[in-house]
Amino acid sequence: GEDVEQSLFLSVREGDSSVINCTYTDSSSTYLYWYKQEPGAGLQLLTYIFSNMDMKQDQRLTVLLNKKDKHLSLRIADTQTGDSAIYFCAETASGGYQKVTFGTGTKLQVIP
Amino acid sequence: EAGVTQSPTHLIKTRGQQATLRCSPISGHTSVYWYQQALGLGLQFLLWYDEGEERNRGNFPPRFSGRQFPNYSSELNVNALELEDSALYLCASSRGREGRNEQFFGPGTRLTVL
Repeated sequence: GEDVEQSLFLSVREGDSSVINCTYTDSSSTYLYWYKQEPGAGLQLLTYIFSNMDMKQDQRLTVLLNKKDKHLSLRIADTQTGDSAIYFCAETASGGYQKVTFGTGTKLQVIP
Repeated sequence: EAGVTQSPTHLIKTRGQQATLRCSPISGHTSVYWYQQALGLGLQFLLWYDEGEERNRGNFPPRFSGRQFPNYSSELNVNALELEDSALYLCASSRGREGRNEQFFGPGTRLTVL
């Protein structure tokens, strides 16, 4: 079955860049997502990338996709304390009722 | 526009009891998803309802069940509760299965089984 893996924890200093990595196994993945979960809250979609793209930039967020290696990353520029949260990558294939598979989540700690 | 709502916020049950969790999707969304987020673990997909039908199911025992009503709201029922069912249960909704299927999440129901 599908598997999505992430490192569990990342600590960065305020103002530095954060890079959160994710690997997936499903070669039929069509959409890949990054979600953010703040303490005590549900998940919020940050950004997504279609599988025929290599990169997508949205303000401080840059998503890189290496489809050959099935590797996805999320870069947060100028990381702020408000970015402290758990970040989930997720993937789904297109067509039919294909479920979205979430990774284990990476807890980002931003040190002031 | 109101987001996805879930009730109750917290639920405390004892082993063997049944729990019922409720979810109201965003207006215009026909799909509702249920996920279990146990402490220290990622999201585990439970169930997907669209247009009143169960469309996909995760690797959970049959005592996890649910339904979707004509107004697209949904219930998740967990029978014969076990201690390991203690978790945050998240509901999400989307416009359905087409396109990138962006899911919008509710705040969750924290279920504690004693």
